[in-house]
Amino acid sequence: QIQLVQSGPELKKPGESVKISCKASGYTFTDYAMHWVKQAPGKGLKWMGWINTYTGKPTYADDFKGRFVFSLEASASTANLQISNLKNEDATTYFCARNNYYFDYWGQGVMVTVSS
Amino acid sequence: DIQMTQSPASLSASLEEIVTITCKASQGIDDYLSWYQQKPGKSPQLLIYDATSLADGVPSRFSGSRSGTQYSLKISRPQVDDSGIYYCLQSYSIPYTFGAGTKLELK
Repeated sequence: QIQLVQSGPELKKPGESVKISCKASGYTFTDYAMHWVKQAPGKGLKWMGWINTYTGKPTYADDFKGRFVFSLEASASTANLQISNLKNEDATTYFCARNNYYFDYWGQGVMVTVSS
Repeated sequence: DIQMTQSPASLSASLEEIVTITCKASQGIDDYLSWYQQKPGKSPQLLIYDATSLADGVPSRFSGSRSGTQYSLKISRPQVDDSGIYYCLQSYSIPYTFGAGTKLELK
């Protein structure tokens, strides 16, 4: 069955970096783009951008240009999100989602806590 | 960017009602509209895609429709398990945009 399994919760200090992974299984990884979605505590969903899993080309929403990097380990069917120079506002939950012109499968989400 | 105006922000409904949630797009999105249900602490789950198509395993009491640039999610005779937050998503153009969400409580 199709699954997206994300890495575990993270506790980081301001200014540090974090790398979140999203491992896909049950389908051909390179056939579907992977998107990333942010959800602040008690808030709605915000689209962050996507990565072409065939070419590796990332596209970022305006609010996520600069400190956010999407990458792949295609041989491991894994998409990654790295956030550098963490800020308090980065303390939230991040989801990966498989794109089929809609998000048909989602990861379970990764909660990132930023605290000094 | 395409704005998705979702309403209402919250509603309380009985099990005998028909619940309707709407999303109005700021421009045409060619039915690239999907609906999701999210429960506390869980990831969103796909309900409807392409505006009117029911996702696999989703009960038939859920349905989607369109009138102009306004899209609607209807829940007929909702069940207690349908409580949660509902979001629309337009995937017609980058950046993809979500509606603000509708919190549904069943009484």
